Order: sequence, then C-alpha cells, then structure tokens
Amino acid sequence: GQNIDQPTEMTATEGAIVQINCTYQTSGFNGLFWYQQHAGEAPTFLSYNVLDGLEEKGRFSSFLSRSKGYSYLLLKELQMKDSASYLCAVRGAAGNKLTFGGGTRVLVKP
Amino acid sequence: DAGVTQSPTHLIKTRGQHVTLRCSPISGHKSVSWYQQVLGQGPQFIFQYYEKEERGRGNFPDRFSARQFPNYSSELNVNALLLGDSALYLCASSLAGGGSEKLFFGSGTQLSVL
Repeated sequence: GQNIDQPTEMTATEGAIVQINCTYQTSGFNGLFWYQQHAGEAPTFLSYNVLDGLEEKGRFSSFLSRSKGYSYLLLKELQMKDSASYLCAVRGAAGNKLTFGGGTRVLVKP
Repeated sequence: DAGVTQSPTHLIKTRGQHVTLRCSPISGHKSVSWYQQVLGQGPQFIFQYYEKEERGRGNFPDRFSARQFPNYSSELNVNALLLGDSALYLCASSLAGGGSEKLFFGSGTQLSVL
C-alpha cells in the first residue's frame, strides 16, 4: 500500500522561509511531485524529483532522499500569494496514478 | 491553448440519483485521470484512461464508472449517490500517462449530495 504524511498546517511571515516535509512509504517508486492548490482552484505543478538531491526553481526548491522515503519543499522569500495548500504526491511502480498526501495548508502573515 | 476543462463546475444532487461529469484534456494529451478530493484532504485516485482503455482503478465501489471517447475526452459516472460522495472531482490529463509526466488538473466539479 501507499502512505504519505505531511503536516496539516504551517504559518510563516512574509519574506521568511518555510520547509514542508513529506515522508512516504510506497510499493514501488517512480517519482515524487509537489503541487500547489489555492482554495477552490485546480492543483498546479511545482516540482518533480525522481533522483536524490535538490531541484531548485526560482523561490521554490524540492529535495528527495529515496533511501529515507523523505522529501521537502522549500519556499523562500514568502509572499502573501503563497498562502495555499501544498500537496505531496508519489507515483508508484506502474501507471500514471499519483498517491497524494493530505496537503499542508500554509498561511503567510504580513 | 486551453487547459483541462471540466463541466459542470458545480452540481447539486440528492441521494440515490446519478451524475455524469465531463472532462476535456489539453489538446494532444491522450491520458485522462479522475480524482476525488474531499474537503481538507488530498485528491484520491479513481480512474486512469489512455487511448480509450482503462489503465488503472482506485479503491472505489462499482457505482463509479468512466469512459474515454475517441477525441480523448472523458466522462465519470456515479450511480446511487450517497452523502459521502460530496466532493470536488478533479480531472487531470497528460501526454501518454507515465514516467516523469506531470499531470495537468482542471478546476474540478464541486458535487454536493443532499
């Protein structure tokens, strides 16, 4: 089976840095995705990791350790518009199915 | 280019009724997946279709069914609706449905069952 855990909620200040952790236990692994979802909107793609290490994309970075079943999403120079839910999702051994965690709601305060 | 489009955006049904949700993928995408997202939770996989064939099914009862048409659009059908079926139903498309391909999501259909 698949099990993905991430914190339910985090609060941070505008301009600060926040790190959202995600741990997973899956039968097979074919990549880990991070999506951002604003309330009432579609999830939008942020990052994809399949090899160990850090992927940097502007203010957002994502890290993966396959041996530890662990990933994090790092959001730097937080802006008010970054207030959203962040979804960690793992693609298993076969097919296109993504298994999502429950999402981390990030609230950015002035 | 248009993204993934879903219709209707909102729907209210009563218990026991059935519902059909529709999805048009991004032009050129041949794989469509359906997810159910209950408020405050992450999306749960329901179905994946590629080239009109079912490629995966999640842990949902037989009341849920889907199909993909020759133009790659898709329908999700839910029969004998229960209160617990109230959720946001998301459709996602990708080129061929595997590997490192990212999924592009539509804005969803918000289904309320009364």
